[in-house]
Amino acid sequence: DTEVTQTPKHLVMGMTNKKSLKCEQHMGHRAMYWYKQKAKKPPELMFVYSYEKLSINESVPSRFSPECPNSSLLNLHLHALQPEDSALYLCASSHSTGRDTEAFFGQGTRLTVV
Amino acid sequence: EDQVTQSPEALRLQEGESSSLNCSYTVSGLRGLFWYRQDPGKGPEFLFTLYSAGEEKEKERLKATLTKKESFLHITAPKPEDSATYLCAVLLRAGGTSYGKLTFGQGTILTVHP
Repeated sequence: DTEVTQTPKHLVMGMTNKKSLKCEQHMGHRAMYWYKQKAKKPPELMFVYSYEKLSINESVPSRFSPECPNSSLLNLHLHALQPEDSALYLCASSHSTGRDTEAFFGQGTRLTVV
Repeated sequence: EDQVTQSPEALRLQEGESSSLNCSYTVSGLRGLFWYRQDPGKGPEFLFTLYSAGEEKEKERLKATLTKKESFLHITAPKPEDSATYLCAVLLRAGGTSYGKLTFGQGTILTVHP
């Protein structure tokens, strides 16, 4: 089973709203990632968690706040977003952040900020 | 500066017409090269990992190869269902510590006509 599950699939939010994206995997992976993908562009890394600790923040604005409650779950809390933050948000997981870094992606959350 | 370049940007093939996609990289230390397939509005689907020059991997109609400067994804006798965006990504060394950051190329949009 190489499944990463993301919820919700679609989200429309206003600029003053607070919402959360959720990601779950049951492959025993110890690294989890958030990526952002704009239309016709490749995914761009936002955050990396390794063994439930934040190891990389790619200079992401503070209106995006990641959280890793346990080794199977990853959340992305959203607050005061801008319309330009509209994108496909992808969660991924891998065995580790070392050589075995085949990352398996979820189907994404399509976020629209109005 | 580390760069990953994919070519062509778009490729149209007739069903059964074999071809190759290219991913060239100029990086300071490659720990692995990954190929993904992405359908519109979906998350990337993992295809292959290549670690060292000369390595080859095959899966159905796809074959990935790696040299010291580039990787090829060969598609033999493609079918319309092979139509997708194909992404390559590199995992770089970082001061002796690999932290799992994948850097993606811009992708090749493959369309296979029946």
